[in-house]
Amino acid sequence: EAGVAQSPRYKIIEKRQSVAFWCNPISGHATLYWYQQILGQGPKLLIQFQNNGVVDDSQLPKDRFSAERLKGVDSTLKIQPAKLEDSAVYLCASSDTGLGDSYNEQFFGPGTRLTVL
Amino acid sequence: AQRVTQPEKLLSVFKGAPVELKCNYSYSGSPELFWYVQYSRQRLQLLLRHISRESIKGFTADLNKGETSFHLKKPFAQEEDSAMYYCALFTGGGNKLTFGTGTQLKVEL
Repeated sequence: EAGVAQSPRYKIIEKRQSVAFWCNPISGHATLYWYQQILGQGPKLLIQFQNNGVVDDSQLPKDRFSAERLKGVDSTLKIQPAKLEDSAVYLCASSDTGLGDSYNEQFFGPGTRLTVL
Repeated sequence: AQRVTQPEKLLSVFKGAPVELKCNYSYSGSPELFWYVQYSRQRLQLLLRHISRESIKGFTADLNKGETSFHLKKPFAQEEDSAMYYCALFTGGGNKLTFGTGTQLKVEL
């Protein structure tokens, strides 16, 4: 079974530029997550999709970050404009429908390492 | 609000020595706890969950609700155990996890 795919793997940009990340979840997984992992910290959930709808985006800095999952499969996360503090690894994960009381395992992609200069 | 604390950023042990990676959580309800692991150049993956009560790769973890802890243990460390370990808390609804800051385990020969 193919895992979660992400691209690019690495990205270096200057502050105030824009950047986009792409994620392709495991086939059939309805729920998709974007995490931000700053160096020395654990992953922090930015946004969670159920099919093409947003379940939780409470920790997404909406003034500069946006995400979409238009057809309920692939997703893109965009930052515009980027700030120095956005330097981090951006992880995408997917799971079976995960809105109940039992945990459905999240499977993680390899991540995109963003450096903002 | 829920919180997960991993007090050690780095734990260095010799091969064959016992390992204990500490994890404490803060949550007023009934939690589910997990350990995730990330080996060098690999993606983050689930190692074990407390409800399964099984040993994975020789690792075990027991949920202690009185001490709000979920420490990860292995009696004899192996070189291949060197990795980054994250404790994670699931509190129900929405399938969301709260991760700790992680502990880098280094097993030396």
